[in-house]
Amino acid sequence: DAGITQSPRHKVTETGTPVTLRCHQTENHRYMYWYRQDPGHGLRLIHYSYGVKDTDKGEVSDGYSVSRSKTEDFLLTLESATSSQTSVYFCAIRGGNTYEQYFGPGTRLTVT
Amino acid sequence: QQQVKQSPQSLIVQKGGIPIINCAYENTAFDYFPWYQQFPGKGPALLIAIRPDVSEKKEGRFTISFNKSAKQFSLHIMDSQPGDSATYFCAASSLDSNYQLIWGAGTKLIIKP
Repeated sequence: DAGITQSPRHKVTETGTPVTLRCHQTENHRYMYWYRQDPGHGLRLIHYSYGVKDTDKGEVSDGYSVSRSKTEDFLLTLESATSSQTSVYFCAIRGGNTYEQYFGPGTRLTVT
Repeated sequence: QQQVKQSPQSLIVQKGGIPIINCAYENTAFDYFPWYQQFPGKGPALLIAIRPDVSEKKEGRFTISFNKSAKQFSLHIMDSQPGDSATYFCAASSLDSNYQLIWGAGTKLIIKP
């Protein structure tokens, strides 16, 4: 998985609770991405980062926030989880001078 | 114009056959076209990619064919094996969108023994 870890790998939480997912890379890549994957929707970009403290929204950013205080870590926070945020979340990384994105193993989140 | 349309949605092929998955795009600024392979419970893995300056690229049993005038590209799997059974995604990106990937909807491929 190209030096990318995600934690936790599985989580069950209740509606209304805050949740933070962590992506950690050992590649020193500049770009980091958070996607969600749902049946019938493929992969959808939530937020991405192009450097420490530099982030931007993707196509499905509502209800999510991100932070990147170190090159190696990119955090995704659901401030108040809803059942519609039940999904599999993937982190991806890309080097600054390359095209290729490499994905982590994913986090399966269930909001009850 | 940012969409990538992938077909078919699902595909069943006998072992040894050549499954073909197609993708079409509208944005002529796209200049990077990867294919990803995803097994159940795993993250997508980069399989093969092509730039528009070539019409074909082979890596092992996997081939991308690229038709710039038709704005289409396809994945061919030679001598397909049951272990190739997975979901395949095409994508496209461009410099002016900072190489953010625009994804196809995916094709679930089953190779029958």
